[in-house]
Amino acid sequence: NAGVTQTPKFQVLKTGQSMTLQCAQDMNHEYMSWYRQDPGMGLRLIHYSVGAGITDQGEVPNGYNVSRSTTEDFPLRLLSAAPSQTSVYFCASSYSEIRGYTFGSGTRLTVV
Amino acid sequence: AQSVAQPEDQVNVAEGNPLTVKCTYSVSGNPYLFWYVQYPNRGLQFLLKYITGDNLVKGSYGFEAEFNKSQTSFHLKKPSALVSDSALYFCAVRVYSGNTPLVFGKGTRLSVIA
Repeated sequence: NAGVTQTPKFQVLKTGQSMTLQCAQDMNHEYMSWYRQDPGMGLRLIHYSVGAGITDQGEVPNGYNVSRSTTEDFPLRLLSAAPSQTSVYFCASSYSEIRGYTFGSGTRLTVV
Repeated sequence: AQSVAQPEDQVNVAEGNPLTVKCTYSVSGNPYLFWYVQYPNRGLQFLLKYITGDNLVKGSYGFEAEFNKSQTSFHLKKPSALVSDSALYFCAVRVYSGNTPLVFGKGTRLSVIA
């Protein structure tokens, strides 16, 4: 089925470890974003991309890297995990500025 | 930079009564406005959007929202609430110019009581 696929769904990391959260969409969407959701904080934008090869920082980019080598994929890399990065991470994509975003089902990350 | 405020963390309403979830925004330029809903342990689902035209927009599940430019508001409404409407609701905005991201409010938890 068409949509946004996030892997893994759950992950536990130790402080200092690195990992990559995967996000893929098969809808040929140009716009892709990563958000983190924390209680009482809503969704905060980490990084976003408006097309292959183009990325920009959002509200809370520190500790995260992204790249967009293809239209389909937008991985989020945690460089050195910290307990403050414990959160639920959502990837989303959109065909254009006036279309709504399609969200993935999320990755629940715990850093111990 | 654009921002969204949802002034109520929690809204309680009796089943069958009308509901309103409030949203105000701040942008430099014309806004694109969106409402999303999140059910427990799920991703966000698109409800409705305002891009241009009629200030009253209708969306999924009987929801509607009214764009008010002078008050910079985009409140979500439904004439008759259902218990199944209980969820977390997010308002979001992006600016009509260039490649700007979608920025969300902090969310409002709606509880519909039978």
